[in-house]
Amino acid sequence: NAGVTQTPKFQVLKTGQSMTLQCAQDMNHEYMSWYRQDPGMGLRLIHYSVGAGITDQGEVPNGYNVSRSTTEDFPLRLLLAAPSQTSVYFCASSYSFLPGQGLEKLFFGSGTQLSVL
Amino acid sequence: QQQVKQSPQSLIVQKGGISIINCAYENTAFDYFPWYQQFPGKGPALLIAIRPDVSEKKEGRFTISFNKSAKQFSLHIMDSQPGDSATYFCAASKRGGGADGLTFGKGTHLIIQP
Repeated sequence: NAGVTQTPKFQVLKTGQSMTLQCAQDMNHEYMSWYRQDPGMGLRLIHYSVGAGITDQGEVPNGYNVSRSTTEDFPLRLLLAAPSQTSVYFCASSYSFLPGQGLEKLFFGSGTQLSVL
Repeated sequence: QQQVKQSPQSLIVQKGGISIINCAYENTAFDYFPWYQQFPGKGPALLIAIRPDVSEKKEGRFTISFNKSAKQFSLHIMDSQPGDSATYFCAASKRGGGADGLTFGKGTHLIIQP
């Protein structure tokens, strides 16, 4: 059981380039999300999805796009990379989300460390 | 607006001592309070969690204490070991509106000295 798999582990981009961070989970979780982690800032939610075909914005969505065509995959796209997007990105999924019940245990991937020069 | 405030930012404890990390929240709608543990180069992992209907939850050496009236909760690590050295995040979510995820504190970098 692989859990949540993120690729790549490291990436260096130049300002203005675009790229896609991949996330896949094999636990049949309906809920998936992307966080960014910056020193002293904790984890901030970028986008999330409660099922295939459904996505929504989190706290810091600007500069990022997502799509959810399958239950397993939830890619994060950086459209025009900027130095402010230098961060560690985590994908997370959860089995425990039902409308009206709130979100519980999150399973995190091991992260993608992104540097934008 | 920071809805979950965590302190201290960093903490050094001697092996065998008690590590204490505190969190305070503002939104009274929060009703689930987990703690996540993160080792370098890894993603966070759920350590222990509590709901406000109890004041304390213990799992092994880890205990959450919860004070609903003060809107505060804390993590206690008894008999702290070097292997406990990690970053700890408190978090909160609310029933009926949790699709936007957990609200995390900013984290505490814990070092256990041998």
